[in-house]
Order: sequence, then structure tokens, then C-alpha cells
Amino acid sequence: GNSVTQMEGPVTLSEEAFLTINCTYTATGYPSLFWYVQYPGEGLQLLLKATKADDKGSNKGFEATYRKETTSFHLEKGSVQVSDSAVYFCALSEVNKFYFGSGTKLNVKP
Amino acid sequence: GAVVSQHPSRVICKSGTSVKIECRSLDFQATTMFWYRQFPKKSLMLMATSNEGSKATYEQGVEKDKFLINHASLTLSTLTVTSAHPEDSSFYICSANIPHGGRAEAFFGQGTRLTVV
Repeated sequence: GNSVTQMEGPVTLSEEAFLTINCTYTATGYPSLFWYVQYPGEGLQLLLKATKADDKGSNKGFEATYRKETTSFHLEKGSVQVSDSAVYFCALSEVNKFYFGSGTKLNVKP
Repeated sequence: GAVVSQHPSRVICKSGTSVKIECRSLDFQATTMFWYRQFPKKSLMLMATSNEGSKATYEQGVEKDKFLINHASLTLSTLTVTSAHPEDSSFYICSANIPHGGRAEAFFGQGTRLTVV
């Protein structure tokens, strides 16, 4: 079946530090992969996506590459800001259904 | 981009009462909407798929009589938590998919924080 596994948090970083949040997936077919961000008390917002192997999704300085050989979609950002503090969800979509990882809380300290 | 609006954003109700949550697609028609429940510090769990004009499809373990779903139009799905109990307190989120090149992109509502006292 389909599933997503992402690193447990919370992740605490200082401003301008490098961020990596690991995500691996299991899928029966050829899924699309997503990262969503959730700010406190809000719903999920799409951060970036990739629809096929070797695609790189990027947005707001974040990026992730669809790696079929390692079934991974790790999220990276070169220099985090306090405003990036949120919960990040990795997800895959197949046949219009979405499967989410458990979420990783990111705390960025000034 | 597409917008999904969810209402109310927060609700507090007494144990034993029912609560209705609305999910609207504002600028597109959604024949299918999805309802998720998010437990504290955990991921979103798909509860059910809401189908316009037909019965909802519930995930295993979700009580159909407890969580009533109605998808009466192409822009509105409602989730009613019946006879709510404190253990139903949670964050509920709806989403609607837009097909895009054979795949789908999900747009999420703002979520509803339900507290049952």
C-alpha cells in the first residue's frame, strides 16, 4: 500500500541555519509528491510538489527532489527564518487520494 | 489559485449535541471532497470521501452514523458530528482536488477546531 514516513520532530534551528527534513515513501504506482506547511491554527498550504522522478519542486527558498531510486523527497532550505516555524507534512498522491506523513514541527530561533 | 473555505474555524459544544462543519469550494466545482481528522502531534487521517449526489465513502474504522457527510451541491460538503463526546475533540480539515494533467492537486480548508465539553 501507500505510505509516507518523515523524520520526527521537533527540529529546532537557529536563524540562517540549513534545514533538511527527511521523507521517504512507499507507493504501488507512480505518485506525485508534495510538501505542505501548516501554521498554528490554520489548514495546510501547498509548499511545493513534484510529479515525476527527478523533478525538483521549489518555492520560497525550499526545494525537494523526487528520487525514485531511494523513494525519497527530502525537504531542504539553505537559510531558515523565524517565519518558517511551522509543521511540515510530506505527502503523496495516487489516484486522487492523498497520504500524509506524521508531520515535522520546525522551530526557528532568532 | 483555488480556494476552499471551511466554517466555522472554532466551535465549542456540549457533550451530546451535534455540530455541523461546512466546506465550500469558492471558485471551482468539486464533485469530490475529502474530510480529514488531525490528532494532536499526529498526521492527518482520512475519514471519508464525500461524493456529490451520492453516499460518502468512509475509511475503515470511521463510524458512519457518528460522522454524517452530505455533499448536496458541487460546491458544498458538510460534516456533522452527531452526539459529540469529548473524545471527538479534534482538528477537522476538508479538501477538494482539482485534476491537473491526469493527477490531482489538493486544496485545503482552514480547518475547524472542535472542542466538546
